[in-house]
Amino acid sequence: NAGVTQTPKFRVLKTGQSMTLLCAQDMNHEYMYWYRQDPGMGLRLIHYSVGEGTTAKGEVPDGYNVSRLKKQNFLLGLESAAPSQTSVYFCASSKGGSARDIAKNIQYFGAGTRLSVL
Amino acid sequence: TQLLEQSPQFLSIQEGENLTVYCNSSSVFSSLQWYRQEPGEGPVLLVTVVTGGEVKKLKRLTFQFGDARKDSSLHITAAQPGDTGLYLCAGGGSNYKLTFGKGTLLTVNP
Repeated sequence: NAGVTQTPKFRVLKTGQSMTLLCAQDMNHEYMYWYRQDPGMGLRLIHYSVGEGTTAKGEVPDGYNVSRLKKQNFLLGLESAAPSQTSVYFCASSKGGSARDIAKNIQYFGAGTRLSVL
Repeated sequence: TQLLEQSPQFLSIQEGENLTVYCNSSSVFSSLQWYRQEPGEGPVLLVTVVTGGEVKKLKRLTFQFGDARKDSSLHITAAQPGDTGLYLCAGGGSNYKLTFGKGTLLTVNP
């Protein structure tokens, strides 16, 4: 079972370069999320999607864009990378549903992408 | 904005010792999840608690949700080196998003 797969695993960019991180899930989940994890800051939500063709801003969306053209894929783009975007990026997915349906709100995470912007 | 405060931030203990990690908030959550993250990997769910006062056990790990659903604790009995990792609590609200604490980095020395 692949679950949530993130590519690439590592990337080094120069300031101003652009790149796209790919997240793919094979669990037929409705909801997908992009987080960044920085030392001492925990996981912070960048953008999320509640279904194919929909996206919404999270806690720290500036400098990022996302697209969900297919249900199984969620792309995170950096148009002009900055050193402040050096971080570990995690994608997650969940079945989605009301808060009372706990099983549907469990998030499954990928292994992360380590990005350095020089 | 809902916040979750975890304590301690770092914990280094010897194999066989007991420990407790705390997760506190001024907000009420409909559920509280605990994840463990190992180096180079993403977080993996350990448990979800949903009822105030609920206690769940997972082998040597005991999880408790506060009566008011604002806080939770994780107790590990007789810690082992395999317990080493980052422990994250996450609160679920009225939507599909989770609020994560900053984590407790546990090191269990053999």
